[in-house]
Amino acid sequence: ELQLVESGGGLVQPGGSLRLSCVASGFTFSSYWMSWVRQAPGKGLEWVANIKQDGSDKYYVGSVKGRFTISRDNAKNSLFLQMSTLRAEDTAVYYCARGGRRDDYNGDYWGQGTLVTVSS
Amino acid sequence: DVVMTQSPLSLPVTLGQPASISCRSSQSLVYSDGNTYLNWFQQRPGQSPRRLIYKVSNRDSGVPDRFSGSGSGTDFTLKISRVEAEDVGVYYCLQGTHWPWTFGQGTRVEIK
Repeated sequence: ELQLVESGGGLVQPGGSLRLSCVASGFTFSSYWMSWVRQAPGKGLEWVANIKQDGSDKYYVGSVKGRFTISRDNAKNSLFLQMSTLRAEDTAVYYCARGGRRDDYNGDYWGQGTLVTVSS
Repeated sequence: DVVMTQSPLSLPVTLGQPASISCRSSQSLVYSDGNTYLNWFQQRPGQSPRRLIYKVSNRDSGVPDRFSGSGSGTDFTLKISRVEAEDVGVYYCLQGTHWPWTFGQGTRVEIK
């Protein structure tokens, strides 16, 4: 069974940092683009970042560029999101999703999400 | 960024009746490879999003055939032929043609 399990969320002060992780199972992780998508409490969805199979290509939405870094470890079937200089508006549930390019797999599987709260 | 506009934002439906959600993009979603990367997602209360439709009209595995997608260019529609109680939730369109990918605001489907 295909699974994506996120972890690493929590309460962090404005200006602080946090690293999210997503462990994949049930499919060949190294063969797929992977992405992070977030959802602020009671709000809609925002696609945050995606990364190519070998990590050589990465894309970010403008609001996180220069503050967030997406990375992956194919040997450990893991996806990461390093978040720094966090702001209140970064408060959201962060989902790991399979896909991220123009193909049939864009967003076809999602994890359960991990909540990040930025507050003093 | 491409703006995705859904309507209506709230959709009360009687069980067994059809429902239709519109999604319009601020620019064409046809990519240079000839494909149109428009997906539909369902988010039930308290759950993660689930993809229903990809590339305008392709239903994902396990998605009931009462769900269908159509459209072209900048104008797209998700239809539910006969709404069931399990269809309650918020539906989002997503364009995956122009980076950054962008979602519509969401349409809340509820039972009358």
